[in-house]
Amino acid sequence: GENVEQHPSTLSVQEGDSAVIKCTYSDSASNYFPWYKQELGKRPQLIIDIRSNVGEKKDQRIAVTLNKTAKHFSLHITETQPEDSAVYFCAASSGAGGTSYGKLTFGQGTILTVHP
Amino acid sequence: DTGVSQNPRHKITKRGQNVTFRCDPISEHNRLYWYRQTLGQGPEFLTYFQNEAQLEKSRLLSDRFSAERPKGSFSTLEIQRTEQGDSAMYLCASSPSPGGSGEKLFFGSGTQLSVL
Repeated sequence: GENVEQHPSTLSVQEGDSAVIKCTYSDSASNYFPWYKQELGKRPQLIIDIRSNVGEKKDQRIAVTLNKTAKHFSLHITETQPEDSAVYFCAASSGAGGTSYGKLTFGQGTILTVHP
Repeated sequence: DTGVSQNPRHKITKRGQNVTFRCDPISEHNRLYWYRQTLGQGPEFLTYFQNEAQLEKSRLLSDRFSAERPKGSFSTLEIQRTEQGDSAMYLCASSPSPGGSGEKLFFGSGTQLSVL
């Protein structure tokens, strides 16, 4: 089955700096890669996602890049703010249709701390 | 709140007891998922329903676990003869029909189970 590795496990930055979180996946059939943000005691929330037919996607201060050949994808947060502090999870899915739709394999998570 | 709703938020039980959790998905979503999350880890897939049909179960789901979605709306997850290793956050998620945004999972706030 799919295996997703996420690094680093913790990341500490100063407000205004950029933060980068990287994930690798093992199943070359994976074609959907979402990123979730989870604040303490709250539900995981989808912040950005990318499909395998796209190399990069950007939404304001957040961007995701995908390298299918190397089987890795990254989350980039620019101009970080204290409210960006949370646990971030990457995930991968090969469910473009069929019964495995939405069956996400998650990385281990990155605790991001943004210091004011 | 029109998001995914889970009850109870917290459950403390003694080892060997049975527990049942409930999930109410977003009303127009026909796909429903159960995930389990332990401290410091990403969510792990347990099972998936399309309408009332349970289409996939993880090997993590032992025979002590059973999930139902009798009318294709809310779902229940029952754990029989609980063990301390069952202590975790049980997350429910739902997604729309396939195609378009069908891969986007919307999570509930979870049920935190503690087995003493």
